[in-house]
Formats: sequence, C-alpha cells, structure tokens
Amino acid sequence: GAVVSQHPSWVICKSGTSVKIECRSLDFQATTMFWYRQFPKQSLMLMATSNEGSKATYEQGVEKDKFLINHASLTLSTLTVTSAHPEDSSFYICSAPRTGSSYEQYFGPGTRLTVT
Amino acid sequence: AQKVTQAQTEISVVEKEDVTLDCVYETRDTTYYLFWYKQPPSGELVFLIRRNSFDEQNEISGRYSRNFQKSTSSFNFTITASQVVDSAVYFCALSEGLGAAGNKLTFGGGTRVLVKP
Repeated sequence: GAVVSQHPSWVICKSGTSVKIECRSLDFQATTMFWYRQFPKQSLMLMATSNEGSKATYEQGVEKDKFLINHASLTLSTLTVTSAHPEDSSFYICSAPRTGSSYEQYFGPGTRLTVT
Repeated sequence: AQKVTQAQTEISVVEKEDVTLDCVYETRDTTYYLFWYKQPPSGELVFLIRRNSFDEQNEISGRYSRNFQKSTSSFNFTITASQVVDSAVYFCALSEGLGAAGNKLTFGGGTRVLVKP
C-alpha cells in the first residue's frame, strides 16, 4: 500500500536555529501535500498546503516566513522551521493524497520537534 | 466554514464493553467525506473508517461501525467489544469538495478512550 515517510521522526534543537522536516511519498506521486501541527493533548491543525510547482498556501495565523515550505518534487515536500523558539515545540504531521478513483489520503508518522 | 465537534473529551470503559464516540460536523458543501482516525501514544494516525456524503448505508468493518445521520449532521463511531489495545485518542475529521477524500482535513478535538482490563 501507499506509504508516506517523514524524517526525522524526532529532533531537538536550540532556540534560534532552523530545522528541516521532510515528507516523502514512497510509491506514488503527490502534487499536493498537507502539513499539520499538533500541540500536546490537542487536535491536529492544518498549517499549510504544499503544492508542487507553486507556492504553498498557508492557513490563517501561520507565519509563512517562519514556516518555509518547499515542494521540491512530486514525492518530496519539506517544512523548515526558521529561528525556532520553544513555543514551536510540537508534533508535525504531513499527509499526501493519492489521486485516482478514490483519492485516498495517507499520513506520515509525524515528527516531534522540541526546541530548548 | 467547516467545523467538527467531538463533545466527549474522555471515555473510560471496561474491556468487552461497547464504546460509541460522538461527532457532529458543519459544512456548507454538499460533497464531503467524514473520517475516523485512531492516534495511539506513538502519535501516528491510523485510518479506521470513512463515509462520503452520498452513501446510503452505514457500514460495519470488523469491530468498528459508523452511524451517519445527515439530518443531524452526526457521524458517530462504535467500537464493539472493546479491547485494551483500543486505548487511544480518536479523531473525527471532515474534508470537502470534489476529490474530497484527498482534500485537507478539519479535525475534531479528539476523544481519549481508555479501556481497562
């Protein structure tokens, strides 16, 4: 079946540094990928829609200059958290829809970011 | 705008009891999909069940069943004969529009289920 991977699965960084998270569709092409953020004991909130060949679409309240998204190819989207602060500590999850007759959507395993 | 509400924040049951999770949604679209996901402590979302806005039947998949009521905008989910391994957070989610199964999701707040042996 379709699989979406994320790398790294967890990362600890110091305040002020940048962190890049990768989301890959392993056996299908994804022109669109979604990035969600989940704070502890809360629900998942959509941050942005990553579009291959064009700019990402950010949800209201998400700083596009802080959360840089690059859809580098049909199987890879990256989320870079720039100048990370402790309040950016969260669980980041990507998803990729597989186009076709059923438009199934597949989630990555998530990346846990801790900013110290 | 779409919205998903899960009124139950936490449910505790004893193993083998049935568990029903409530979900109420809001949407202006006539074409949409509803989903239930399970999130164990590892964090990875596990797809459980889905339904689109134009299906007529409520399905049963193993120990999972869904109850979709368009008139009340509800999409409830039942685990029959619960097991300890069912302990997790369960999310109801909604996506809208053409190709809705692959569109962005709006999640409910989640319901934590604890199944005691």
